[in-house]
Amino acid sequence: QPVLTQSSSASASLGSSVKLTCTLSSGHSSYIIAWHQQQPGKAPRYLMKLEGSGSYNKGSGVPDRFSGSSSGADRYLTISNLQSEDEADYYCETWDSNTRVFGGGTKLTVL
Amino acid sequence: EVQLVESGGGLVKPGGSLRLSCAASGFTFSSYSMNWVRQAPGKGLEWVSSISSSSSYIYYADSVKGRFTISRDNAKNSLYLQMNSLRAEDTAVYYCARAPPLHDIDYWGQGTLVTVSS
Repeated sequence: QPVLTQSSSASASLGSSVKLTCTLSSGHSSYIIAWHQQQPGKAPRYLMKLEGSGSYNKGSGVPDRFSGSSSGADRYLTISNLQSEDEADYYCETWDSNTRVFGGGTKLTVL
Repeated sequence: EVQLVESGGGLVKPGGSLRLSCAASGFTFSSYSMNWVRQAPGKGLEWVSSISSSSSYIYYADSVKGRFTISRDNAKNSLYLQMNSLRAEDTAVYYCARAPPLHDIDYWGQGTLVTVSS
């Protein structure tokens, strides 16, 4: 089954941009993933689905500041014009016929 | 508006049982696969179980296989998780989550806390 690897933490300044990475394991580089945001003390929220081609589809109400891209086995989430409410944990997710897998999550700090 | 509302969490002793429910509204429940995902205190998300729209396909994480049972009632727009032989390591917030067949999770409930402790 696929494995997703994320950096444990990231930080960036208010108003700047940040790019978070989710890496698919060997043999699974073509997999589609999804990105989810979890603000402190809240349930996760779906952000987008991201294909290996770099094409992405965002969930309802997700700001334009959030975008996705891909390169090989890497899937990226870019957040532009960082706001304080973007400080959260970000998880990537993928799936196959009989399982779902989450990355370990990246804790984003907005400085 | 899609809504997923979990209930049934609480404090239970090791070896005990608990049944979680998830009430769905705002979409055609019978057309979607549903999932349970949990999050231990201070930890990341862990997929627990999935059930297809007609209950034909059911899958479990190895960590709960043989102890947990997922089910659904499409007439009641409800998802369930029967948890038996509970262990301390099952302590977590349990989320109900919707996913179109062979697609990503696109909606989450607010979660219900299960604490396994003597």
